[in-house]
Amino acid sequence: GENVEQHPSTLSVQEGDSAVIKCTYSDSASNYFPWYKQELGKRPQLIIDIRSNVGEKKDQRIAVTLNKTAKHFSLHITETQPEDSAVYFCAAGENTGGFKTIFGAGTRLFVKA
Amino acid sequence: DAGVIQSPRHEVTEMGQEVTLRCKPISGHDYLFWYRQTMMRGLELLIYFNNNVPIDDSGMPEDRFSAKMPNASFSTLKIQPSEPRDSAVYFCASSLGQSTYEQYFGPGTRLTVT
Repeated sequence: GENVEQHPSTLSVQEGDSAVIKCTYSDSASNYFPWYKQELGKRPQLIIDIRSNVGEKKDQRIAVTLNKTAKHFSLHITETQPEDSAVYFCAAGENTGGFKTIFGAGTRLFVKA
Repeated sequence: DAGVIQSPRHEVTEMGQEVTLRCKPISGHDYLFWYRQTMMRGLELLIYFNNNVPIDDSGMPEDRFSAKMPNASFSTLKIQPSEPRDSAVYFCASSLGQSTYEQYFGPGTRLTVT
């Protein structure tokens, strides 16, 4: 089955700096890669996603890149703000014959003001 | 829409008791997922349904866990008998499907088994 590894587990940056979180996946059938943000005590919420036919996607200060050959994808947050502090989860899913999403272990991001 | 609704929000029970968690997905969503979140194991997919039919239950930890979806607007996750290691936050999520894959999570149920 699918296995998603996520690094780093903890990331601390200064406000205004960039943050990068990296994930790898094992199942070449995976074709959908969402990123969720979970604030303390809250539910995970989708912030951006990318499909396997696209190499990069950007939405304001966040961007995701996907390298299908190497089976890795990354989340980039620019101009970080204190409200970006949260746990970020990457995930990999496939919709052939079903719809299953496996999550990475999460990255706790601290943005210091 | 009120979003995904879960009840109870908090549950404290003693080891050996039966626990039932409830979920109401967003109306019109074809997929429903149950997850368990712990510090040690992160966010684990337990089971998911498509149009009320269980598709993959390979994440259900053991026979003590069971899930049902009797209709499109209701699902339950049952643990019988409960054990202290079942303590976790259990999330239900739903998705529209039809090439729209975003999952909308409920607020979660924090389960504590003493």
